[in-house]
Amino acid sequence: EAGVAQSPRYKIIEKRQSVAFWCNPISGHATLYWYQQILGQGPKLLIQFQNNGVVDDSQLPKDRFSAERLKGVDSTLKIQPAKLEDSAVYLCASSSDSFSSYEQYFGPGTRLTVT
Amino acid sequence: AQRVTQPEKLLSVFKGAPVELKCNYSYSGSPELFWYVQYSRQRLQLLLRHISRESIKGFTADLNKGETSFHLKKPFAQEEDSAMYYCALSPTGGFKTIFGAGTRLFVKA
Repeated sequence: EAGVAQSPRYKIIEKRQSVAFWCNPISGHATLYWYQQILGQGPKLLIQFQNNGVVDDSQLPKDRFSAERLKGVDSTLKIQPAKLEDSAVYLCASSSDSFSSYEQYFGPGTRLTVT
Repeated sequence: AQRVTQPEKLLSVFKGAPVELKCNYSYSGSPELFWYVQYSRQRLQLLLRHISRESIKGFTADLNKGETSFHLKKPFAQEEDSAMYYCALSPTGGFKTIFGAGTRLFVKA
């Protein structure tokens, strides 16, 4: 099966600019996750979708981050405006289980550098 | 608070030596626990999970509820085991996976 796709792979922006990331999960996977991984740390869950509904966004900085998953398939994560501390790898993952986070399949990630 | 702790950032062993990557967790219920691995220039991927009780690539992990630990073990390390290993916790039937900071394993020839 095709894996989770993400784009772009790299992005460099200046602080206060906006940026958007795109994710295409594995076909048929109901659950989609966005993680932020800062250098030297483990992935931190930002938001979790089940189909096109949000089931957890408790760690999403909602004043600047937003995410949507239209039609329960692709998803976009946006940062507006970006801060220096947003520099990180943004990982998208998907899983086929609806009510638990069993095996998650990860995309290659987008490395964001904010200068 | 829910937390996953991996006390070692770097673990270096010789090929053929036993290896143990430590993971301790803090959770009031009965969580599901996982080990994920990231090889150089590859994606993060599931290595094993405690509910399946499998041995993958010679690795095993036993859940010790008394000590709230889920250490990853392999009796004889191989050079291809060199990678970043993350322990993760998911509340039973819940919607949030918490990852530890990771341990980099380096297996020397």
